[in-house]
Amino acid sequence: EAGVVQSPRYKIIEKKQPVAFWCNPISGHNTLYWYLQNLGQGPELLIRYENEEAVDDSQLPKDRFSAERLKGVDSTLKIQPAELGDSAVYLCASSLERGPGPLYEQYFGPGTRLTVT
Amino acid sequence: SQQGEEDPQALSIQEGENATMNCSYKTSINNLQWYRQNSGRGLVHLILIRSNEREKHSGRLRVTLDTSKKSSSLLITASRAADTASYFCAIRTSYDKVIFGPGTSLSVIP
Repeated sequence: EAGVVQSPRYKIIEKKQPVAFWCNPISGHNTLYWYLQNLGQGPELLIRYENEEAVDDSQLPKDRFSAERLKGVDSTLKIQPAELGDSAVYLCASSLERGPGPLYEQYFGPGTRLTVT
Repeated sequence: SQQGEEDPQALSIQEGENATMNCSYKTSINNLQWYRQNSGRGLVHLILIRSNEREKHSGRLRVTLDTSKKSSSLLITASRAADTASYFCAIRTSYDKVIFGPGTSLSVIP
């Protein structure tokens, strides 16, 4: 079974440019997460989808970040325009969640390392 | 803040020794999970402990949970160089927020 797939693995852009990241979760997983991880820190949740619905986007900087999960499968995270402070690793994770409450095991992709110059 | 927090931030031990890292949190939880992240790679789930459990084992891993103190510990016994990684605890709060701690960086010296 394929794991969570992310692309690209690395991206270097100049500030003010747009950038997009793509994630394909494990087949059958209804929940998808996007995280941002700075060097030496833990992942910070940006947005969580249950199927195609964004159920928690409270930490997503909506002035420049947007995300979509069409048909409840793969997802795209976009930044426009990018700022120097956006340099980080963007992680996608998926899980099969059977109801509210517990934190279910998440399966992570390898991440996209973004460098904004 | 309801953020999970691990300590120590960094730990360096000799191969064969045991490593213990701790996680504290500030809210009620249903379960707590530990993840490992090798350098430059994604996170891998290690173990899950439910709020009604006090201890759980998986191979060389032992996790304890004290809900009264809102803390958990991860013990790695007989450490190996391959255990060198960062270790994170993760919770879902009663407000349905998913939070990872800042992590403990473990170095196992051969």
